[in-house]
Amino acid sequence: QKEVEQNSGPLSVPEGAIASLNCTYSDRGSQSFFWYRQYSGKSPELIMSIYSNGDKEDGRFTAQLNKASQYVSLLIRDSQPSDSATYLCAVNRRNTDKLIFGTGTRLQVFP
Amino acid sequence: KAGVTQTPRYLIKTRGQQVTLSCSPISGHRSVSWYQQTPGQGLQFLFEYFSETQRNKGNFPGRFSGRQFSNSRSEMNVSTLELGDSALYLCASSRDIPGTAEGGSDYTFGSGTRLTVV
Repeated sequence: QKEVEQNSGPLSVPEGAIASLNCTYSDRGSQSFFWYRQYSGKSPELIMSIYSNGDKEDGRFTAQLNKASQYVSLLIRDSQPSDSATYLCAVNRRNTDKLIFGTGTRLQVFP
Repeated sequence: KAGVTQTPRYLIKTRGQQVTLSCSPISGHRSVSWYQQTPGQGLQFLFEYFSETQRNKGNFPGRFSGRQFSNSRSEMNVSTLELGDSALYLCASSRDIPGTAEGGSDYTFGSGTRLTVV
């Protein structure tokens, strides 16, 4: 079992729709959770971080965390073609800067 | 403010050579970590540094090494390069002392160094 699992996709959604990206993790000691967006040939860019159970909203993005189910998700409302990228889920434990990444989900938003 | 700066952006080396990559964190950030990204393995942790001390190391051979200087800048070195070392090498910096921030730290990545071994 991989430490962080994501569906590789591609996830195709029409412009204006809600894109739902999911991630599960195996280490119950994980404390911090991150979503990064990576365009082809570029470095990862932090979209959201979440540390407590529940929802966290930032503009069109909402991160959801359920530690009991070891599940974190990212919702993108009003998806735009510019959102087309690979979305990486990452987790880490307290007392370390070591991030464990999933393999990423490729999102395609078509006009 | 300036972001995380990695140099060089691109490198081409031949097998058996060694290479040194540099990372300058965001001003005021004291933690630096390094990652290797390949199409097959994704993003994999190499090592992390705080206050010139290596705090954690990933599952990579001893050919991969690193260090951090007193100004928080970090370098990583790969000796006896192999074809499989071709990858995008990324470093990330964070402001907080590991384990002290409420919930954790946000990590900012540099643009990376694309290493090609031929």
